[in-house]
Amino acid sequence: NAGVTQTPKFQVLKTGQSMTLQCAQDMNHNSMYWYRQDPGMGLRLIYYSASEGTTDKGEVPNGYNVSRLNKREFSLRLESAAPSQTSVYFCASSEEGLLHFGNGTRLTVT
Amino acid sequence: EDQVTQSPEALRLQEGESSSLNCSYTVSGLRGLFWYRQDPGKGPEFLFTLYSAGEEKEKERLKATLTKKESFLHITAPKPEDSATYLCAVQAAGTYKYIFGTGTRLKVLA
Repeated sequence: NAGVTQTPKFQVLKTGQSMTLQCAQDMNHNSMYWYRQDPGMGLRLIYYSASEGTTDKGEVPNGYNVSRLNKREFSLRLESAAPSQTSVYFCASSEEGLLHFGNGTRLTVT
Repeated sequence: EDQVTQSPEALRLQEGESSSLNCSYTVSGLRGLFWYRQDPGKGPEFLFTLYSAGEEKEKERLKATLTKKESFLHITAPKPEDSATYLCAVQAAGTYKYIFGTGTRLKVLA
């Protein structure tokens, strides 16, 4: 059972570069989320998608964009990476209140 | 403001030494309180959901309890494989948002 799959697992970017983090779930969930996890900060919501075609900003959306491509896929794009975006990014999906997480993308911006 | 505070930040136990982790919360109407386990380099893994004060749930050496202001994760006779970071999250009624605590890092020594 794959669950939530995130790619890539690791990425190093230079300031100003762009990239897209990919996320796919095979559980037929409607809701999908992007979080970032930083030491001492807990998981913070970047964007949320309640269903295909809808997205909403979370707690820390600045510098990010998202696309809910279909029910399975929810991507996160950094248009111009900044060192403050160095973090571990987690994608999650949910049904009936329970979040299922991927194993994260570890991003370093130099 | 909705908030989740976990204590202690870190805990070291000897194998077999029982203890409890605390999750204090303030939320405008609780929809659910969630406990997750996170291993290094992995995404959070679901443990329990609690919905109302007085509710308890158990799984192997873990038992979660809930009051109107806090939740406890009791660990009975822990083993080294219980070493992980334990995260607490709450979901407010009528929202899709989850508020996460910063976690308790548990180390169980053989």
